[in-house]
Formats: sequence, structure tokens, C-alpha cells
Amino acid sequence: GENVEQHPSTLSVQEGDSAVIKCTYSDSASNYFPWYKQELGKRPQLIIDIRSNVGEKKDQRIAVTLNKTAKHFSLHITETQPEDSAVYFCAATHFGDSNYQLIWGAGTKLIIKP
Amino acid sequence: DTGVSQDPRHKITKRGQNVTFRCDPISEHNRLYWYRQTLGQGPEFLTYFQNEAQLEKSRLLSDRFSAERPKGSFSTLEIQRTEQGDSAMYLCASSFSGGGQPQHFGDGTRLSIL
Repeated sequence: GENVEQHPSTLSVQEGDSAVIKCTYSDSASNYFPWYKQELGKRPQLIIDIRSNVGEKKDQRIAVTLNKTAKHFSLHITETQPEDSAVYFCAATHFGDSNYQLIWGAGTKLIIKP
Repeated sequence: DTGVSQDPRHKITKRGQNVTFRCDPISEHNRLYWYRQTLGQGPEFLTYFQNEAQLEKSRLLSDRFSAERPKGSFSTLEIQRTEQGDSAMYLCASSFSGGGQPQHFGDGTRLSIL
């Protein structure tokens, strides 16, 4: 089955700098890759997602890149702000038929230093 | 759109007791998912429904766990004869059906087993 690995587990960056979080997946059939942000004690919130027919997607300060050949995808946050501090999760799935189970990475705790 | 709501937010119970959680999805969504999340980990898939049909169950879902969605709207997750290892955050999410539809999460029910 699918397995998703996420690195690093903790990332500390200076406010205003960029942050990059990387994930690799094992199932080449996976075709949908969402990223979620979870603040302490709160629900996971979808921040951006990408499908396998696209190599990059951007939404203001957030971007996701996908390399299908290498089976990895990355989250890029530019001009980081204190409110970006949270745990970020990547996930992967292969949608088709009745299967839509998301397989999640272990999370990255992002710390923005003032 | 009131989002996904879960009740209760917190549940403390003694080992061996039964507990039941409720999830009200976004009204237009026909898919509903249950996840379990422990501290420092990503959500683990438990089960999902399309309308009232339970289409997939994880191996994590032992016989003590049962989920229902009788009218294709709200869902309940019951845990019988609770054990210490059941302590976790139980998250519910909903989405439209079809490939690559984003899942929207509730705030979860935190279960603590004494």
C-alpha cells in the first residue's frame, strides 16, 4: 500500500525567510496530493492541493511542486509570518472507483522566529 | 456553510465504558470520513461513507468500533469496551464525491480513557 514520508519533522526559520517541506510517496498510482495546516488543538485545514497532471501550483505565498518521476512533492512558503507557525501535513491518494483513502505524512512542525 | 461539526469536543470515560461521537458534515457533501489522530502524528484513516453506504474500513477499526450514517447525513462512531489505547482525537471530515475532492475537517472529539 501507499506510504508517505515527510521531512523535516521540525523546521525553524526566521520571519520573512522561506520554508520548504518535502514528502515522498511510494505508490506511483497516487494522483492527488493535499497539504494541511494544523494549529495546536485545531482542525486540519486544507491550504493547497495538487493533482498529478500538474507540476506546480501557487496560491499567494504558498506553492506546491510535484515530481512524479521521483515520487516526491514539496510545500514552499515564502515571506513567512508568525501566523504560519503550525504543524503541516502532506498526504497522498489514488482516487478511482470507491477508494479515496488519504495516506498522511507524520507532519512538520514549522516554527517562525521573530 | 457552517462547516463540519463534531460533538462532544471532549469525552472522558473509564476503561470498559462505551462512547459515541457524532459528526454533522457540510450539508452538500455526500462523503464522510472518520480519522483518529494521536499526539505528534498525522490522522489515521478509520472508515468512510458515501451517502449511507460504508464503503471502506481500515484494519485499525477493530470489532469494538462501529460507525453508522443511517440517512446519509450525520454519522456516529461508537467505541465499545474502551481501552487505554483508544485515547486519541477522533476527527470527522466530509467532501463531495469524485476524484480529488478536498476533505474538510471538524474540530474533533478528544477522547481520554481513565
